[in-house]
Amino acid sequence: QYVLTQTPSVSGAPGQRVTISCTGSSSNIGAPHDVHWYQQVPGTAPKLLIYGNSNRPSGVPDRFSGSKSGTSASLAITGLQAEDEADYYCQSYDSSLGGVVFGGGTKLTVL
Amino acid sequence: QLQLVQSGAEVKRPGSSVKVSCKASGGTFRGYTIMWVRQAPGQGLECMGRIIPIIGVPDYSQNFQGRVTITADKSTSTAYMELSSLRSEDTAMYYCTRDLADHGLDPWGQGTLVTVSS
Repeated sequence: QYVLTQTPSVSGAPGQRVTISCTGSSSNIGAPHDVHWYQQVPGTAPKLLIYGNSNRPSGVPDRFSGSKSGTSASLAITGLQAEDEADYYCQSYDSSLGGVVFGGGTKLTVL
Repeated sequence: QLQLVQSGAEVKRPGSSVKVSCKASGGTFRGYTIMWVRQAPGQGLECMGRIIPIIGVPDYSQNFQGRVTITADKSTSTAYMELSSLRSEDTAMYYCTRDLADHGLDPWGQGTLVTVSS
């Protein structure tokens, strides 16, 4: 259903580190096209968290980091906080489809 | 700092159309691309299409081709998304956002809830 594949859910205790993966193909992440990450707190609009694979917009804590390798990308969150509980989406561009594509989202639960 | 302000929630009958607006506040569209993204209840994000307002030529995603019309009024820095032949599955939150290409999608409008119900 979604061009990019994300694990549906992940959880961690406060202070821990979690990673969220995003798997694509040679026509998107592996093309290579940049990967961007968004955080969506329930009931609010998505917010840009990481752009260009590993860059943080102004105001985003350095607890959030992104990386990319081959046809996959990852978002890492260190020092988990209760406020990090949200849905996280990866996004890229797909050359075959000729447009923006998203992952299905990963729900992060802070235990 | 650019903000995108969307029109309010809508309730529509099946078979009708809805038109959602997205106005730039604190700036103009300039040469940017505005994209429309749909999010069905409990689901992920889906690109519907986009437009560069100063050029005015839209580009639609395959899943919405033929049912969606995206326009823009550069004089008021407002973009519009019209979805026709509405069905219950179109009940969703609709967002506009600025497409910065290699800098991601930012900012996002607050979203417009469209409910399709008889």
